[in-house]
Amino acid sequence: SQQGEEDPQALSIQEGENATMNCSYKTSINNLQWYRQNSGRGLVHLILIRSNEREKHSGRLRVTLDTSKKSSSLLITASRAADTASYFCATRSTGANNLFFGTGTRLTVIP
Amino acid sequence: DAGVTQSPTHLIKTRGQHVTLRCSPISGHKSVSWYQQVLGQGPQFIFQYYEKEERGRGNFPDRFSARQFPNYSSELNVNALLLGDSALYLCASSLQPSGISYNEQFFGPGTRLTVL
Repeated sequence: SQQGEEDPQALSIQEGENATMNCSYKTSINNLQWYRQNSGRGLVHLILIRSNEREKHSGRLRVTLDTSKKSSSLLITASRAADTASYFCATRSTGANNLFFGTGTRLTVIP
Repeated sequence: DAGVTQSPTHLIKTRGQHVTLRCSPISGHKSVSWYQQVLGQGPQFIFQYYEKEERGRGNFPDRFSARQFPNYSSELNVNALLLGDSALYLCASSLQPSGISYNEQFFGPGTRLTVL
């Protein structure tokens, strides 16, 4: 079974609005990463947040991590049509040899 | 520099057949991981190899096997294909094994396998 669950499963917003996606996970982690996937192709790494960090920014992306609630959120500000994609959170447990991916949020940004 | 490359891009097989998928990591990367992504789901870990040795295995049947070559490229083999094996197979490369705290994985475009 998958480690993480994303919420919502699908999100549709107007261009210029902010998009927030949430991720919950089950076990202790070393870090949490967010990936983007266009049209069922390869995954693009967006941002990584370590377990001892609470917030991280990268351009229009803001990620928060609450290890007590085992949850993370990804905020995309001032969305663009080109942001339309599926977004996945992925966790790595300490010493683990793989990433556990969530189920993904399908974001549609309407021009 | 070239990213992670995978071949073929698309593949159609019938039940019971065998398939081999190939992956070339980014130059200098010694670790390769394989993931299966069924339509509508997130990727699921199949294998990780580092320096030609298996470093991790996900919950997949023995029909799935892989290997890594001296040039760090890798093959994923699936025997006795089932309809449920239809998926996007993703390869990811990294500098070191994933046990390192921060070790970004770079994903290839994937091979889409359809089993009829």
